[in-house]
Amino acid sequence: DTGVSQNPRHKITKRGQNVTFRCDPISEHNRLYWYRQTLGQGPEFLTYFQNEAQLEKSRLLSDRFSAERPKGSFSTLEIQRTEQGDSAMYLCASSFRGSTYNEQFFGPGTRLTVL
Amino acid sequence: TQLLEQSPQFLSIQEGENLTVYCNSSSVFSSLQWYRQEPGEGPVLLVTVVTGGEVKKLKRLTFQFGDARKDSSLHITAAQPGDTGLYLCAGARGSGSRLTFGEGTQLTVNP
Repeated sequence: DTGVSQNPRHKITKRGQNVTFRCDPISEHNRLYWYRQTLGQGPEFLTYFQNEAQLEKSRLLSDRFSAERPKGSFSTLEIQRTEQGDSAMYLCASSFRGSTYNEQFFGPGTRLTVL
Repeated sequence: TQLLEQSPQFLSIQEGENLTVYCNSSSVFSSLQWYRQEPGEGPVLLVTVVTGGEVKKLKRLTFQFGDARKDSSLHITAAQPGDTGLYLCAGARGSGSRLTFGEGTQLTVNP
């Protein structure tokens, strides 16, 4: 069990460009979450998958954001036409459906900087 | 609107001192999780508390869940420089639900 992995760890892009992040959850975990964290704040929920189904999206997830989990394993988060306000740490977490108390395990995050 | 309020926001103490961090809410949670996060890394789960009044100990760390399941505290005894980090509380409202995080408490333990 290697834990949750995220790639890339850092991304610097120019305003208006598209970016895509990948998350590989813990292998037996069927729930996957995306959060965003800005400096000095706790993580904020973006979206949640159970297997390949996207079950919940935050209003923070504007139409420039899209997330997929096509085979119920890894997930991608794409941001189109990036803005400077998108600069943040993007965190992925996974949990096991049998976990009654929804203990979530986080990856190391992808730090996005939009110039 | 921050549903979970953590205090203090910043704490700087000397090695060997004791400290308590508080996490308060007006909402009831089915469980509450405490995480520790270091710069440039993701949060690492420390403990989950689920029963009102529950107390859990992890070496020098003691976690308590309020009787009404709306608040929690983290007490560290004889803090060490390795305890330095951002401590986050997060509430869940059921299996599969999102976590709602507090703003965090940035702890610095000076040698």
